[in-house]
Amino acid sequence: AQSVTQPDIHITVSEGASLELRCNYSYGATPYLFWYVQSPGQGLQLLLKYFSGDTLVQGIKGFEAEFKRSQSSFNLRKPSVHWSDAAEYFCAVGADSNYQLIWGAGTKLIIKP
Amino acid sequence: DVKVTQSSRYLVKRTGEKVFLECVQDMDHENMFWYRQDPGLGLRLIYFSYDVKMKEKGDIPEGYSVSREKKERFSLILESASTNQTSMYLCASSPNPGGAFFGQGTRLTVV
Repeated sequence: AQSVTQPDIHITVSEGASLELRCNYSYGATPYLFWYVQSPGQGLQLLLKYFSGDTLVQGIKGFEAEFKRSQSSFNLRKPSVHWSDAAEYFCAVGADSNYQLIWGAGTKLIIKP
Repeated sequence: DVKVTQSSRYLVKRTGEKVFLECVQDMDHENMFWYRQDPGLGLRLIYFSYDVKMKEKGDIPEGYSVSREKKERFSLILESASTNQTSMYLCASSPNPGGAFFGQGTRLTVV
């Protein structure tokens, strides 16, 4: 069955430090891959997406993610986090022609001053 | 800018009431979705629609129905609200193919 795993429920990072959020998926074909961010009490905003081509994709707010087929991973990175990055981050995989998304459980990012 | 608008940010309803949550998108997307989000459970798909008057059940359709009479509008209906339907409800729309664009969410409390 298709699934998305975000192994870290919470991550705490100091402001200015680098960040990596992990995402692993299980999917039979080449997936569409997405990262979303949700600030408290808000809807979700698309950070970046991968469909094909260059496996390193750039997104908004200084985020990037790398698709590694051999590891079935799509980890999100940022070289230097800001306090405003504190939010919950969701990884998702495109499922089929209906373009439903399969969601990870989310990782809550906490920024230490 | 892409916009998905949910009619209410906060709603309080009584047990047994019929509740309508409205969602409108201005991007001419074929696909629209209703999710509910609960702490520790992530996003769970209730229903989705890939065309006007077309609908498909998601993972947790029980107690809900939907209506899509026009391409831009997708309504979620709680036929008889219950306290276990207290949740954050998120509407999204999606092009073919592409990621989903979300509304701001409706936090529904059923008392």
